[in-house]
Amino acid sequence: DTGVSQDPRHKITKRGQNVTFRCDPISEHNRLYWYRQTLGQGPEFLTYFQNEAQLEKSRLLSDRFSAERPKGSFSTLEIQRTEQGDSAMYLCASSSDRMNTEAFFGQGTRLTVV
Amino acid sequence: AQSVAQPEDQVNVAEGNPLTVKCTYSVSGNPYLFWYVQYPNRGLQFLLKYITGDNLVKGSYGFEAEFNKSQTSFHLKKPSALVSDSALYFCAVRDEASGGYNKLIFGAGTRLAVHP
Repeated sequence: DTGVSQDPRHKITKRGQNVTFRCDPISEHNRLYWYRQTLGQGPEFLTYFQNEAQLEKSRLLSDRFSAERPKGSFSTLEIQRTEQGDSAMYLCASSSDRMNTEAFFGQGTRLTVV
Repeated sequence: AQSVAQPEDQVNVAEGNPLTVKCTYSVSGNPYLFWYVQYPNRGLQFLLKYITGDNLVKGSYGFEAEFNKSQTSFHLKKPSALVSDSALYFCAVRDEASGGYNKLIFGAGTRLAVHP
């Protein structure tokens, strides 16, 4: 087990383009989270999956954002019609559903919108 | 509203000296508290957590944290700093409304610089 894996590590895109990021959680973890981190700030929660069900979405997740976890394993985060304000590090994390376990984070995808 | 505050943007310490990175929190019930560390261009690495029990929690890489309910603090400590400890440190509290999953509220982070 190599931990949480995210792809790509870096993405530069032009404003208005669509981008998609992938996250592969730790294999036995059924809980998966997406966070966004902007420069000089701590990560902010975006959304949470329990298996394939998306159980919570933050108000930060506008209509241009969509996340899926179709088979309860990997997840994708898509941003449509990117804006410069979307530039950030997008972090994926996973955890088991045992009581009080911590989340393990991937290395993140750094998005730059030009 | 729930929140986490890290009052210092940066902490400077000489190698071999003890270090403290401060964190205070605001929740209405019992807090679930975490410390994570982030190295440049990397994700967050878990250091330690407080759920219940002993107020002094030991974690990875020789770090420990002291939970103080009366002062609503969860300061990170290490007896002897290493240059390799230089990184960005985040304190977090689990959202009370999350129903037990890791919806975390993070502080803004404290940059630790350990000088040789």
